[in-house]
Amino acid sequence: GAGVSQSPRYKVAKRGQDVALRCDPISGHVSLFWYQQALGQGPEFLTYFQNEAQLDKSGLPSDRFFAERPEGSVSTLKIQRTQQEDSAVYLCASSLAGYEQYFGPGTRLTVT
Amino acid sequence: GQQVMQIPQYQHVQEGEDFTTYCNSSTTLSNIQWYKQRPGGHPVFLIQLVKSGEVKKQKRLTFQFGEAKKNSSLHITATQTTDVGTYFCAGPGETSGSRLTFGEGTQLTVNP
Repeated sequence: GAGVSQSPRYKVAKRGQDVALRCDPISGHVSLFWYQQALGQGPEFLTYFQNEAQLDKSGLPSDRFFAERPEGSVSTLKIQRTQQEDSAVYLCASSLAGYEQYFGPGTRLTVT
Repeated sequence: GQQVMQIPQYQHVQEGEDFTTYCNSSTTLSNIQWYKQRPGGHPVFLIQLVKSGEVKKQKRLTFQFGEAKKNSSLHITATQTTDVGTYFCAGPGETSGSRLTFGEGTQLTVNP
């Protein structure tokens, strides 16, 4: 069956631009997570949704980062006024019951 | 805050040699998960350990959870080139049980 999909796969943004990253979770998965992965590091938690409710956003690094999941399925991670330190791979994962997480291919964001 | 540490950071082996990576948490964990990330890929769930002292095997892979539930290990017997990748351990977050705190990973390369 279809896994988690993310778009775009690659995004180059000039510093100061806004970007929007999309995640399509596995159908029926109520939990959705966003992680940020820097080169050579493990994924770092950003935020977590259960259905449409954002239950934990403690990992968002600044108020420039915003995530939503209005209908409890597709989610969008928005970064405003991008900075060079935002360059990373942004991973989305979904989970059925808080057990194993299924990761998407990620969006590689490069801020120039 | 909670920290999950892994050693070694890198491991180079000849095909057929064994490999072990170790994971230590600063706090007691309710469970621990292991993921594998191939070069250029995304993390893929391998296993979850829940019980103190638990040992699970998947073919050539053996996973252990420490008695104090603060450490874990992954051992691969007779490595193959298909084992190449980065192995991450991850524990549930302190504030939200569903989020995962990942270690920095052990990058395994296998020389044929």
